[in-house]
Amino acid sequence: GQQLNQSPQSMFIQEGEDVSMNCTSSSIFNTWLWYKQEPGEGPVLLIALYKAGELTSNGRLTAQFGITRKDSFLNISASIPSDVGIYFCAPKTGNQFYFGTGTSLTVIP
Amino acid sequence: DVKVTQSSRYLVKRTGEKVFLECVQDMDHENMFWYRQDPGLGLRLIYFSYDVKMKEKGDIPEGYSVSREKKERFSLILESASTNQTSMYLCASSSPWGTSNEQFFGPGTRLTVL
Repeated sequence: GQQLNQSPQSMFIQEGEDVSMNCTSSSIFNTWLWYKQEPGEGPVLLIALYKAGELTSNGRLTAQFGITRKDSFLNISASIPSDVGIYFCAPKTGNQFYFGTGTSLTVIP
Repeated sequence: DVKVTQSSRYLVKRTGEKVFLECVQDMDHENMFWYRQDPGLGLRLIYFSYDVKMKEKGDIPEGYSVSREKKERFSLILESASTNQTSMYLCASSSPWGTSNEQFFGPGTRLTVL
């Protein structure tokens, strides 16, 4: 099966700090997605990446599709309390989605 | 506003009971998925369906079955619940057409098996 490594597993940061998380895989993917799951809710799509090397921003979020197509990172700048949640990378091939183990983010006001 | 709904947010069942988890989507999506979420393990795919009456095993199908009699509804069945099936269960749907790659998730059902 696919080996997908997401790190870090958890982060505790001060409000205003920048955050960085990444996923690496043993396999090549054509699409990398990043989801956020807020407490008590299902995951919601944040950013979608479709080409190797692509760098995409969504407000304070920036994500990149690695040039090898085996990795991706997500950065959050100037974190705020509502950034709290679990962030998942989700590479995709065909109709099959794969999910990382998640990065749990806590923002301390 | 697109929506995936799950029949219960919280459910408590006893070992050996038959459990039904229902999921309904209003987006006319062909694809529907059931995942379980456990701390440190992320989302693991149990079953998925690409069309009515079609089903495919995911990574952890043991102890589960599914039913898709209508396009909008995908049911997860625990034939005889066991304590190791205590978990958060998430349903999702997606469309195979166009450029959208997004899966839309329901709010989840937290199942406790005593």
